[in-house]
Amino acid sequence: AQSVSQHNHHVILSEAASLELGCNYSYGGTVNLFWYVQYPGQHLQLLLKYFSGDPLVKGIKGFEAEFIKSKFSFNLRKPSVQWSDTAEYFCAVNAPNTGGFKTIFGAGTRLFVKA
Amino acid sequence: EAGVAQSPRYKIIEKRQSVAFWCNPISGHATLYWYQQILGQGPKLLIQFQNNGVVDDSQLPKDRFSAERLKGVDSTLKIQPAKLEDSAVYLCASSSDGFTDTQYFGPGTRLTVL
Repeated sequence: AQSVSQHNHHVILSEAASLELGCNYSYGGTVNLFWYVQYPGQHLQLLLKYFSGDPLVKGIKGFEAEFIKSKFSFNLRKPSVQWSDTAEYFCAVNAPNTGGFKTIFGAGTRLFVKA
Repeated sequence: EAGVAQSPRYKIIEKRQSVAFWCNPISGHATLYWYQQILGQGPKLLIQFQNNGVVDDSQLPKDRFSAERLKGVDSTLKIQPAKLEDSAVYLCASSSDGFTDTQYFGPGTRLTVL
């Protein structure tokens, strides 16, 4: 069965520290990859997505992610976090399924940035 | 543009009672999703509609959960009867297509079953 693994459930960083959140998926075919973010009290929203082309994709607020096909990974990075990046981050994989495409989410990583 | 609307925002019921959630997607979005998010977990797809047809309901507990999307616009998810383990946030999302497009999420309904 398809699955998405996020390595860290909780991450605590100080402002200006660098961030990398891991995401691995188990599906051998073509996939579409997403990172969604949920800020406190807000809806889930898209941070960035990868469909094809350059495996390094840039999203909002200085986030980027790199698709490494050989490692089935799509890790999220930010060189310098801010207090406002405190949120829960979800990796999601959209893959072909009977009748269409199916999206599977990871369990999420809660990031807390200390001011 | 208006976002995905859901109601109610919160619901508390006792086990064995029934409950219904409503979702109005973004205008023009063909695909509508219902997810269940249990505390500490990521959203789990319950059912996906393309217009008013079901694309995927493989993880919907059909003995107690039902959903419909009449006229291909808004949708209702029902639980009857509820169990304690149904306590979760129920998220509705929509996208313009069901394949590669971004999903737009509503605020969710937090259900507590006592």
